[in-house]
Order: sequence, then structure tokens, then C-alpha cells
Amino acid sequence: DTEVTQTPKHLVMGMTNKKSLKCEQHMGHRAMYWYKQKAKKPPELMFVYSYEKLSINESVPSRFSPECPNSSLLNLHLHALQPEDSALYLCASSQGGLPPYNEQFFGPGTRLTVL
Amino acid sequence: AQSVTQLDSQVPVFEEAPVELRCNYSSSVSVYLFWYVQYPNQGLQLLLKYLSGSTLVKGINGFEAEFNKSQTSFHLRKPSVHISDTAEYFCAVSAAKTSYDKVIFGPGTSLSVIP
Repeated sequence: DTEVTQTPKHLVMGMTNKKSLKCEQHMGHRAMYWYKQKAKKPPELMFVYSYEKLSINESVPSRFSPECPNSSLLNLHLHALQPEDSALYLCASSQGGLPPYNEQFFGPGTRLTVL
Repeated sequence: AQSVTQLDSQVPVFEEAPVELRCNYSSSVSVYLFWYVQYPNQGLQLLLKYLSGSTLVKGINGFEAEFNKSQTSFHLRKPSVHISDTAEYFCAVSAAKTSYDKVIFGPGTSLSVIP
């Protein structure tokens, strides 16, 4: 199984709502990533988890809160978002650990709209 | 730090014609290089990668790329494009010494295949 799944596919939320995005992989990968992608732009890295520990936070606002409950699951908790947070949120995973490079596998993304 | 430049933001090409998408990078350390494709409303898929060895890399869907260290380039080519190749293409770089497989994406090239 070389698939990364993401739920939901689409999410519409108000600025006062609390919601969560979910990502799952069963490839035994130990590194997982959240990216944000605006239309016609490249993905921007938000967070990296390595062996279930937060390794990189790319200065993301605290209204985005990541969580890695186990090695297969990655969540992104959303609270008090702004309309400019509307984007495609991509999850990815890789074997992790030391080089050589391990390919990142991407999920299909969650299309988030903040009203 | 690494950076990636994709000189052409949009490339229109007729069906069955050849295409080249250009990518240049800068880095003070050894890097791995990648091309990803993103079809409309989907996640990213790895087309091909250069890690070491032969500078001509063959990928999926008939694409190939050539690594040129002296020119710091990694151009993507296909001898004959199909309508189904219409998509966004991202060149990306990863430093060879990181342990999180962090990928820096270029701004992307939108390939439009004209019937």
C-alpha cells in the first residue's frame, strides 16, 4: 500500500469554528508533513513530524495545531482561521531518518474554505 | 540554503510536439533534484528524481530529465506530449545532508497541451 489518504476532501468552516484535518499512511513511514498550497503556487511546508515528534514548525500561526497520535496518523487542528487560510492542505510521508533521500508520497489534499 | 527557479510560468504546446520545461537551482551543498506533477484538483506525484549516478534520468509517462551540474540545471523533456499531460509541473530540490527530506519547490510551470 503506497497511499496517503486525507479526510475530508473538502471543508467549509466559519472563522469561529474548530475543525480537524486527518492524514493516514500505512507504509511504515516515520516522517510526516503538512503543506499549504494556494492556487497556482507551489506547496509551502508547514510542519514536519519525525518519529512522532514535531521536528520542524515553519513559523506557522498558532491557529494551526498539528498532532501525531501514532506513526500512521497525522492531524491538523484548526481554530479561529482567517479567510486567507483558504487553500489546499497536503499531507505527505517519507521513510524518514538519515540520507540518502527518501521519496515523499503525497495525499490528494483537503480543499479548505474559510468564510 | 537552496532555491529553485522555473523560468517559464506557462508553456503551451501542441499535441504530439516535444516539450522542455526548464529548471535551475542554487545550493552551497550537494542536492537531490525532483520533478513533480500536479493534475487539476489532485495531490503531487513524483515524475522522476536525480540522486546520483547517470545524469540522464527517466521517469514515468515518458518524461526524462538531465542533470547538468556546471549549469545547475535539471530540465524536463518529453518527445511527444498528450492532452493528458496538461498539468502543473514543479521542480524541487532537497539538500543531501538533511534528515527530514525537506523539499524546496520551484514556482511551477503550467503545461497546456493544445489539441
